[in-house]
Amino acid sequence: DAGVTQSPTHLIKTRGQQVTLRCSPISGHKSVSWYQQVLGQGPQFIFQYYEKEERGRGNFPDRFSARQFPNYSSELNVNALLLGDSALYLCASSLMTVSYEQYFGPGTRLTVT
Amino acid sequence: TQLLEQSPQFLSIQEGENLTVYCNSSSVFSSLQWYRQEPGEGPVLLVTVVTGGEVKKLKRLTFQFGDARKDSSLHITAAQTGDTGLYLCAGAGGYSSASKIIFGSGTRLSIRP
Repeated sequence: DAGVTQSPTHLIKTRGQQVTLRCSPISGHKSVSWYQQVLGQGPQFIFQYYEKEERGRGNFPDRFSARQFPNYSSELNVNALLLGDSALYLCASSLMTVSYEQYFGPGTRLTVT
Repeated sequence: TQLLEQSPQFLSIQEGENLTVYCNSSSVFSSLQWYRQEPGEGPVLLVTVVTGGEVKKLKRLTFQFGDARKDSSLHITAAQTGDTGLYLCAGAGGYSSASKIIFGSGTRLSIRP
């Protein structure tokens, strides 16, 4: 079975631009979460979606938005990019059980210049 | 604000030695997960603990959830060079949001041959 897939793997953007990152969950998983991981730190929670509805939001500005599609894939959009948005963006899928186990994709490395 | 503190931040030991990594919080979690992350990749789930006082073993790795479900430890026996990586703990289901997963900042482990 395929794991969580993310695209693109790497991306270079300039300040002020907009970016869209994509994620496909494990088959059968209806929940997708997005995380930002800056070098040397643990992942920071951005959003969680379940059954196409937002179920959780972290402390990120409104420049960050996301959505989940009927096939449970998801997109993360970031507008008006800042240098500080440079990070590894991780997507995780889960079955939304009480244990909250998540399975991560390989991430998208975003560099803002 | 929920926080998970991991210690130590960095650990470098000789192959064959034992080590313990700690994950502490002032908050109660419904579950706690441990992940291992290689450079440029997404975190890989090692274990989930749910019950206070629970102990789980994964070959040479022993995970324990504190009785009050606020802390956890990871003990590695007879470390091998393949254990090198970033170890992350993550708490879920805290009082503030059932859908928010909080990660610690990680322990970077290096096993010398």
